[in-house]
Amino acid sequence: KAGVTQTPRYLIKTRGQQVTLSCSPISGHRSVSWYQQTPGQGLQFLFEYFSETQRNKGNFPGRFSGRQFSNSRSEMNVSTLELGDSALYLCASRPGQSSGNTIYFGEGSWLTVV
Amino acid sequence: AQRVTQPEKLLSVFKGAPVELKCNYSYSGSPELFWYVQYSRQRLQLLLRHISRESIKGFTADLNKGETSFHLKKPFAQEEDSAMYYCALNGGAGSYQLTFGKGTKLSVIP
Repeated sequence: KAGVTQTPRYLIKTRGQQVTLSCSPISGHRSVSWYQQTPGQGLQFLFEYFSETQRNKGNFPGRFSGRQFSNSRSEMNVSTLELGDSALYLCASRPGQSSGNTIYFGEGSWLTVV
Repeated sequence: AQRVTQPEKLLSVFKGAPVELKCNYSYSGSPELFWYVQYSRQRLQLLLRHISRESIKGFTADLNKGETSFHLKKPFAQEEDSAMYYCALNGGAGSYQLTFGKGTKLSVIP
């Protein structure tokens, strides 16, 4: 089985621009979550989607949004980029909503805002 | 609010020595606790979870609710154990909202 796939792996954006990151979960996984990883704040939960519905959202401003498609693929969008948005964005998937599910992480998308 | 604290940023031990990576948590309910590991140039992966009470790669972790701790232990460190270790807590009912500690980098000296 292919693992969680994230694209693009690396990108550079300018302040004020917007960015869209994509995540393809493991085949058969219906739940996708996103995390931001920075040296200062560590790993922080952004949001989780299941069956195209956002189930939970972390403490991030409204500039951070996401969506999930019927094939379980997910995208996250950050609008009006700020320098502090530079981070590794990790996507993770799991089969369903049971708390017993193990989540599997992708390699991440490295975003640099200049 | 839920919080996970890993007091050591870096832990260096000699090969064959015991290892203990500390993790303390703050959570009002019944937590679900995990240890994740990230080896060099690899993705973050689950090492073990307190519910399963299993030993993975010689590592064990016991949930101590009285001390609100979930320390990771291994009796004899191996060079291949060198990695970044993250303690995480899932407190979201029906959801998988992991709260991570800042991580401890374990370096095993040959």
